[in-house]
Amino acid sequence: AQTVTQSQPEMSVQEAETVTLSCTYDTSESDYYLFWYKQPPSRQMILVIRQEAYKQQNATENRFSVNFQKAAKSFSLKISDSQLGDAAMYFCAYRSTGNQFYFGTGTSLTVIP
Amino acid sequence: KAGVTQTPRYLIKTRGQQVTLSCSPISGHRSVSWYQQTPGQGLQFLFEYFSETQRNKGNFPGRFSGRQFSNSRSEMNVSTLELGDSALYLCASSPRSTSGPTTDTQYFGPGTRLTVL
Repeated sequence: AQTVTQSQPEMSVQEAETVTLSCTYDTSESDYYLFWYKQPPSRQMILVIRQEAYKQQNATENRFSVNFQKAAKSFSLKISDSQLGDAAMYFCAYRSTGNQFYFGTGTSLTVIP
Repeated sequence: KAGVTQTPRYLIKTRGQQVTLSCSPISGHRSVSWYQQTPGQGLQFLFEYFSETQRNKGNFPGRFSGRQFSNSRSEMNVSTLELGDSALYLCASSPRSTSGPTTDTQYFGPGTRLTVL
C-alpha cells in the first residue's frame, strides 16, 4: 500500500519569508498524482497545487511551488513571501492509479507577523 | 458553481445509535469520496462512489456504509456508533468521467463534525 509521510508536525515562518514543507511517499507505481491541500481553521480543505508524476517540470501556482524528486519519492512544498492567510494545516496527498487518495498526517504552519 | 455541501455540519449522538451524513457534490461531478479525519489518525479514506457504485473502499469495519443516488448525491451511514467514531467526516467530489484512472482533482466539502457521547 502507498504511504505518505510528513515528518514536520509543526513549522513556523516569518511573514514575507519563505518556508518549505517536506513530504515523502512510498509506492511501486510509476504513474500517479501528488497534491498539497491546505486546511485553515475553518476546516475547509483547499487544493494548493498538484503534480503529475510523468511531468519532470515542477508545478507552480503563484507563491506556491513544489520540488518533485521522483527517484527520491519526495514532494516538498515551497511557500514564498508568506502571508498571514497561509497559516493552516497542510496535507500532502498521493493519488494512485486506482483513484484512491492517501494523505500524510499534516504539517501545521504558523505565520509570525 | 456551488461547492461541495455537507449536511449536517454538526451532530451529537450517543453510543449505539446510528447516523446518516449527506454530501452534495459540485454540479457535474460524478465521483464522491468520504474521509474520516481525527487528530490521531489524520485523514483516512472510507470509500468512493461513482455512478451509484462503490469503486474503492478503505479499511473500515462494516458499520460504515454508503450509497450514491442517480443525481450523484451521496450518503454515509454509521451504525452502532462507538466513542472512537467521533471525528470530522469529509466528503470530496471530482468530475471523473469513467470508472478507470483519471487526472481529476478532488474538491472537499466543509465536513460534518460528529461527536459520540
